[in-house]
Amino acid sequence: GESVGLHLPTLSVQEGDNSIINCAYSNSASDYFIWYKQESGKGPQFIIDIRSNMDKRQGQRVTVLLNKTVKHLSLQIAATQPGDSAVYFCAEPENSGYSTLTFGKGTMLLVSP
Amino acid sequence: ETGVTQTPRHLVMGMTNKKSLKCEQHLGHNAMYWYKQSAKKPLELMFVYNFKEQTENNSVPSRFSPECPNSSHLFLHLHTLQPEDSALYLCASSQDLGATNYGYTFGSGTRLTVV
Repeated sequence: GESVGLHLPTLSVQEGDNSIINCAYSNSASDYFIWYKQESGKGPQFIIDIRSNMDKRQGQRVTVLLNKTVKHLSLQIAATQPGDSAVYFCAEPENSGYSTLTFGKGTMLLVSP
Repeated sequence: ETGVTQTPRHLVMGMTNKKSLKCEQHLGHNAMYWYKQSAKKPLELMFVYNFKEQTENNSVPSRFSPECPNSSHLFLHLHTLQPEDSALYLCASSQDLGATNYGYTFGSGTRLTVV
């Protein structure tokens, strides 16, 4: 099946820095992408989503960029805080008769004070 | 709290035991899911229920048996598990079957250890 993957398994940043987490996807027909955040001891939590008719979408301190040409998705976190330390997953609907989500392996973001 | 509650949070069971995981949501969602999360692996979809009907069994061994008595409750019955079944089991729900409406709401998971 199609795969959703991440370039970097671990990203370490200093508090206040901007963080960029990347995701490569292989299904060029995907029309919807989601970023999830999973803190230790918790389930994944929805952060932001983007549809394929958009290149960029902004939330509170987070921005998702979509480059359909190279099938690349990124999550940018501005002024990273210790509370942002978590594993971040990108996800897309599986290309089947009905859509369930396919998740990438995740990137661990570590924020140092 | 996300609106999806899983119990227990932690479970240790022997390979000959029978136990059940419970998931409950009061979000008015119609679809519910079981996922397995193992270390260094992507989330693995196990089962999908839509309006209480199972719509997908993702090649899961028969030692895992799901049950969905109503749209708000989902169970995962476990029997004769293997140590490699140790993982975090996550329940999720969504408004409808299909992920194009804000995706899923996840519970906090049950950390299962098989000894």
